[in-house]
Amino acid sequence: GQQLNQSPQSMFIQEGEDVSMNCTSSSIFNTWLWYKQDPGEGPVLLIALYKAGELTSNGRLTAQFGITRKDSFLNISASIPSDVGIYFCAGGTASGSRLTFGEGTQLTVNP
Amino acid sequence: EAGVVQSPRYKIIEKKQPVAFWCNPISGHNTLYWYRQNLGQGPELLIRYENEEAVDDSQLPKDRFSAERLKGVDSTLKIQPAELGDSAVYLCASSFRLAGLTDTQYFGPGTRLTVL
Repeated sequence: GQQLNQSPQSMFIQEGEDVSMNCTSSSIFNTWLWYKQDPGEGPVLLIALYKAGELTSNGRLTAQFGITRKDSFLNISASIPSDVGIYFCAGGTASGSRLTFGEGTQLTVNP
Repeated sequence: EAGVVQSPRYKIIEKKQPVAFWCNPISGHNTLYWYRQNLGQGPELLIRYENEEAVDDSQLPKDRFSAERLKGVDSTLKIQPAELGDSAVYLCASSFRLAGLTDTQYFGPGTRLTVL
């Protein structure tokens, strides 16, 4: 089946620093989504990307849909303690609406 | 607007016992998903419903797992009998999906199942 490689697996940063994470795939996706999951909660949608090359921002978050449709990145600027959590990328195909998730990036922000 | 509601939030059972999870999707959403999330991994799809029809259940272990979505709204996911390896978080998600387009899925808080 489809596989998503998400990196890094974990990050430890200082408050105020910028952070970048990415996902790559051997398959093409029509949609890239980025979710954040807090302990004991379900994933919460942060940004949705629907077109190759698309660059979208949501506050301090910026994500891009790779031009090859096989990758995406998420940047967080000026990190704050509440950014702590696990970030998942997910690729979607139009035909079946099945999302394939990466394994997550655990972000720790030290105040 | 209320989000996806799931219950119970936590369940501890002994192996070979049955267990059921319930999900109420966001009002107006025609598509409902059940995912399983193992520790340290991303969610994996078990089954997808469009209205009351199961349109993608290829990854549902049908020997012990069953699901239903009567009337195309609420859904239940059942495991009978449960095995140790079923310990995981079971997530429900819903969306409003138009044919041929990728939809945006919204997740519930999940049910954390522990099988002893």
